[in-house]
Amino acid sequence: EDKVVQSPLSLVVHEGDTVTLNCSYEVTNFRSLLWYKQEKKAPTFLFMLTSSGIEKKSGRLSSILDKKELFSILNITATQTGDSAVYLCAGTFLTGGGNKLTFGTGTQLKVEL
Amino acid sequence: DGGITQSPKYLFRKEGQNVTLSCEQNLNHDAMYWYRQDPGQGLRLIYYSQIVNDFQKGDIAEGYSVSREKKESFPLTVTSAQKNPTAFYLCASTARTVRNEAFFGQGTRLTVV
Repeated sequence: EDKVVQSPLSLVVHEGDTVTLNCSYEVTNFRSLLWYKQEKKAPTFLFMLTSSGIEKKSGRLSSILDKKELFSILNITATQTGDSAVYLCAGTFLTGGGNKLTFGTGTQLKVEL
Repeated sequence: DGGITQSPKYLFRKEGQNVTLSCEQNLNHDAMYWYRQDPGQGLRLIYYSQIVNDFQKGDIAEGYSVSREKKESFPLTVTSAQKNPTAFYLCASTARTVRNEAFFGQGTRLTVV
């Protein structure tokens, strides 16, 4: 219940590479999925996904949700050193106490020159 | 400007002491959350609250307590029962509907000395 699993845990790539980060979740009471980028302190919002198969895009970043297979991916094309960060995936689950926002362990991305 | 304010940014606690971390938001958000982040790990949910005077335990509530007397405020007390409190603590808030992102404070780094 309300479990979110990210893979890989860490990743090192070279500038210009394309990376795909994965996030799977439990289906029970699932409402939405969010992606965040964390560089030093507070995570910054990237995408929210509620509908299956609809790609969200922002510059070199894009994300899509597959509600049948219970996963989401975050793609980053033409990576830059500034993309180095921890990428967090979170699921919103409806519980008796309201909406519970549960995060995965994150993927540590390092982009090298 | 609307946002979430956490204070203090850095906090040092002696063994056996209780300390309280402040979280205030002026976004008129209903839901508020407390997370703990350890080095190299994702965000683990401590407590969350959907409405005033009501809150729910998250995944790692032992050794922590909260209150929600006002919509804008959700303080977290780290009690002496928390055996390993050194960590980075993040507070977040969302509007009631799941179609809204979570906003984060800048975090409090707590160290036991």
